[in-house]
Amino acid sequence: QSALTQPASVSGSPGQSITISCTGTSSDVGGHDYVSWYQQHPGKAPKLIIYDVTNRPSGISTRFSGSKSGNTASLTISGLQAEDEADYYCTSFAGSSSLVVFGGGTTLTVL
Amino acid sequence: QVQLVESGGDLVKPGGSLRLSCAASGFTFSNYYMTWIRRAPGKGLEWVSDTSGSSPYTNYARYADSVKGRFTISRDNAANSLYLQMDSLKVEDTAVYYCARVAGHCVITNCYHYYYMDVWGKGTTVIVSS
Repeated sequence: QSALTQPASVSGSPGQSITISCTGTSSDVGGHDYVSWYQQHPGKAPKLIIYDVTNRPSGISTRFSGSKSGNTASLTISGLQAEDEADYYCTSFAGSSSLVVFGGGTTLTVL
Repeated sequence: QVQLVESGGDLVKPGGSLRLSCAASGFTFSNYYMTWIRRAPGKGLEWVSDTSGSSPYTNYARYADSVKGRFTISRDNAANSLYLQMDSLKVEDTAVYYCARVAGHCVITNCYHYYYMDVWGKGTTVIVSS
């Protein structure tokens, strides 16, 4: 149950685009299209923003998009807004011993 | 509306026990796998445990290595409730514990899960300290 690797922090200015990476192995990220992303504001519950690599739940802004190449998944946020400042986590299917494995989380700062 | 509300968090001494509860409303609880996820202070989210809804995998449960043998997940579908019995608690179990619904679908009477959580509670805080 090894964690996926995310950068500890990223930053960007309002209006810019940023990308958060999530690196795993061929046993998790690379082997299945079951990557999801969650946004968590301080003191709040996590919120699903991307599932199955590229899909957005109803109500999630089109500024959020997901992709995957090999063993690395990515979350891109375009047109950064102050409200996007939060922690972001990726997860992936990683075999039958667990539901999912989480990335270590990335703190996004909007400058 | 669809809602999950956790309760039961408290301050407990190392070696002690605690039972967390999660009350579900607004959806057919028995149709869904449910999971507990935690976030320790200064750390990221960690999957703790999950359990099946009803058929075809009744009473299926699995656990993270860090809690295996100490925590027990259970549910009462008639009461629309999920539980986490936490025994032999350690300082490193200190965290906010979230109850979450695992997205899924049902085919006639058999229900299957996807690999993401689409509804989360607001969490309950467990502090293990002497």
